[in-house]
Amino acid sequence: GDSVTQMEGPVTLSEEAFLTINCTYTATGYPSLFWYVQYPGEGLQLLLKATKADDKGSNKGFEATYRKETTSFHLEKGSVQVSDSAVYFCALRDSSASKIIFGSGTRLSIRP
Amino acid sequence: EADIYQTPRYLVIGTGKKITLECSQTMGHDKMYWYQQDPGMELHLIHYSYGVNSTEKGDLSSESTVSRIRTEHFPLTLESARPSHTSQYLCASSPVSGEQFFGPGTRLTVL
Repeated sequence: GDSVTQMEGPVTLSEEAFLTINCTYTATGYPSLFWYVQYPGEGLQLLLKATKADDKGSNKGFEATYRKETTSFHLEKGSVQVSDSAVYFCALRDSSASKIIFGSGTRLSIRP
Repeated sequence: EADIYQTPRYLVIGTGKKITLECSQTMGHDKMYWYQQDPGMELHLIHYSYGVNSTEKGDLSSESTVSRIRTEHFPLTLESARPSHTSQYLCASSPVSGEQFFGPGTRLTVL
């Protein structure tokens, strides 16, 4: 079945460092791909998405490119801030649009 | 901005009590979901609904039940709470082929 594998955390970086959180997927057909963020004490919020190969999703300085050849959707940010500290979830929605499958989450902590 | 609400936000209750966690959305979405989130962060789908009078069990077995009598409302009920039910419960909704929108969650503690 479809699945999402993302980088295990926790990831700890200093402010202004470059961030990469790896995400790979297994799916039949052409899924849509998402990154969600969960700040402490809150629900998940959609951060960005991409619906077809080579699409780049971007929001709040974060970017991810849908790479069909490597089945990947890595999250990147050039300069992280303390306020980016949160849990990040990679997810896919299969082409039948029945359910969304989430990765296990990556906790990110940014030191001032 | 997504309009999906959960109440209560926090609940501490004794073993054996019946509880209902409320979830409402004002976006007219047909699909709604309940997830249980453990301390390790992973999300487990426990119930979902594709419309009024439609409910299905999710990937993780749960002793809870749900109902969908109105499009906007998807309550989750535990008939007899136990300490093993202590967790964070997240409700979400989505249009037919869009992303999911999440509520703020209910943190349940059963003593």
